Amino acid sequence: KAGVTQTPRYLIKTRGQQVTLSCSPISGHRSVSWYQQTPGQGLQFLFEYFSETQRNKGNFPGRFSGRQFSNSRSEMNVSTLELGDSALYLCASSLGTGGLYTEAFFGQGTRLTVV
Amino acid sequence: QKEVEQNSGPLSVPEGAIASLNCTYSDRGSQSFFWYRQYSGKSPELIMFIYSNGDKEDGRFTAQLNKASQYVSLLIRDSQPSDSATYLCAVKRGTGNQFYFGTGTSLTVIP
Repeated sequence: KAGVTQTPRYLIKTRGQQVTLSCSPISGHRSVSWYQQTPGQGLQFLFEYFSETQRNKGNFPGRFSGRQFSNSRSEMNVSTLELGDSALYLCASSLGTGGLYTEAFFGQGTRLTVV
Repeated sequence: QKEVEQNSGPLSVPEGAIASLNCTYSDRGSQSFFWYRQYSGKSPELIMFIYSNGDKEDGRFTAQLNKASQYVSLLIRDSQPSDSATYLCAVKRGTGNQFYFGTGTSLTVIP
């Protein structure tokens, strides 16, 4: 059973540019969440998509957006990149609608460096 | 105040000892609690979760939950060098799959 696949693994972008990250969840999983991981802040929740609808959203500026397709694959977009956006972006795949005991399976992440 | 707080460590224990990792959370509405392990350069992987007060054991790992004190812990018995990693505490509440993570505790098991 394939795991969560994130592409690309590494990205280097210049300030002001935009970037799109992709995530393919585990087959059968309909929930995809995105997290930003930095050394100082740890994992911070960006948003969650379920059945192509954004269900939850964290406290990030509107420059961060996402979407989910009918096959559950998800993309995350960051516009007008800032140096502080440099981080590891993790995608998490979950099976169900969000029961309290539903775990998240993480992809390997995309390491974004903004220069 | 952060949703989930952990001592960042580093925590060092000798091989074979018990490692104790602690976590506190601020929202009393939190209902389920997860421990993830993250090796350097890798993604987090689930160790176990707990949702009832008391202890839950899984092999060498024991999770402990005290909702009155808003406290979760993870004990690792017979620690091995392969347990050296960062341990992340996460809580969940309400609907959806939103997790609130602590910043993690770095554990080193010394052979």
